[in-house]
Amino acid sequence: QVQLVESGGGVVQPGRSLRLSCAASGFTFRSFVIHWVRQTPGKGLEWVTVMSSDGRYIHYADSVKGRFTISRDNSKSTLYLQMNSLRAEDTAVYYCVREVNYDSGSGSYYDYWGQGTLVTVTS
Amino acid sequence: SSELTQDPVVSVALGQTVRITCQGDTLRTFSVNWYQQKPGQAPIFVIYDKNKRPSGIPDRFSGSSSRNTASLTITGAQAEDEADYYCHSRDSSGAKHLFGGGTKLTVL
Repeated sequence: QVQLVESGGGVVQPGRSLRLSCAASGFTFRSFVIHWVRQTPGKGLEWVTVMSSDGRYIHYADSVKGRFTISRDNSKSTLYLQMNSLRAEDTAVYYCVREVNYDSGSGSYYDYWGQGTLVTVTS
Repeated sequence: SSELTQDPVVSVALGQTVRITCQGDTLRTFSVNWYQQKPGQAPIFVIYDKNKRPSGIPDRFSGSSSRNTASLTITGAQAEDEADYYCHSRDSSGAKHLFGGGTKLTVL
């Protein structure tokens, strides 16, 4: 079965760095676009970043652009999120999610989510 | 900037019908998906591409969209439908994704 397992979260001081990993299994990882989505405790979902299946296109939310870097190793079926210059407002549960296209090909949705890893930025 | 707006809180009596809405200019161009999230769990998709229901989701869940407003309707709400619901679409560029602020549904 499809599984996405995030790791690497923890408590970190403002200005420091952290790298999250998302280990995928149960599907052909290299064929899928994968995203990071975060959720501040008790609040809503925020899209963070996306990387295409071949790594050729990447987009970031304005709130993390220039500080976060997404990457993937298809040989290891793993997605990464390098987070630098962390701020208190980056405190959240970070989910990796798999994107699939509509049958019509005109859009997409998230069909599988990991359980998330908590990042807490505090002094 | 692009954004999707949802009512923060909605309530419905057990067995009644409730509509949860999502408004945004980008919905005129891009389709919408809906996710349900229960406490301590990751979201699951309940409607995709405006009105398509995945297998395993009860047929009391339906979706629609017109102009700049998308709706998730639960016909005959059950206690287990109490959850947070999020709409999801794209920003005006189509490259970035957006979520609505979420609607907390209470079943009375």
